[in-house]
Amino acid sequence: QKEVEQNSGPLSVPEGAIASLNCTYSDRGSQSFFWYRQYSGKSPELIMFIYSNGDKEDGRFTAQLNKASQYVSLLIRDSQPSDSATYLCAVNAGGTSYGKLTFGQGTILTVHP
Amino acid sequence: GAVVSQHPSRVICKSGTSVKIECRSLDFQATTMFWYRQFPKQSLMLMATSNEGSKATYEQGVEKDKFLINHASLTLSTLTVTSAHPEDSSFYICSARVQGQLRQYFGPGTRLTVL
Repeated sequence: QKEVEQNSGPLSVPEGAIASLNCTYSDRGSQSFFWYRQYSGKSPELIMFIYSNGDKEDGRFTAQLNKASQYVSLLIRDSQPSDSATYLCAVNAGGTSYGKLTFGQGTILTVHP
Repeated sequence: GAVVSQHPSRVICKSGTSVKIECRSLDFQATTMFWYRQFPKQSLMLMATSNEGSKATYEQGVEKDKFLINHASLTLSTLTVTSAHPEDSSFYICSARVQGQLRQYFGPGTRLTVL
């Protein structure tokens, strides 16, 4: 069974600090990786996606992918209280599951002033 | 661009009734739409994949006769929960994908409460 694992948290960081969110996946054929943010009662909103090994930066966010280790992470620099939300890692598998997203259980992040 | 809407945003119904949820891509054509369900404090679980003009593909454990999906046009997919029961109460979210792209654009979700 294809699985995506995240630490459910909660992860608590002070305002201005770096928040580090981690995700592992079981399917080596996975091709693309997405980080979503979900506020309570709302649907997920895309933060960023990554396809290739290495780092991808977008503003305060950096996604890191290591396919050999089947590991993807999200760093949030200069964390703000408005970043407090559940962060969902989603993986797009290849093969017959192409196009489908499998979500992790999410990590609750709290940024305290 | 790439906006997906859902209607209604919230619905309360009696046990045994059917509820229809609409998912529309407002400014693009979506060859594929997905339906997810999210229970409190849980992650999104894919229910089915819907391709325009063809039958939906349901995930294991999802009853296709209970959750009817229709994708009659490139901008509209509907999910009908038939004979709803309290255990069907959940947050239903659709997403849409443009052909050739992997990114999914999510709708705002529909909160279903079955009394």
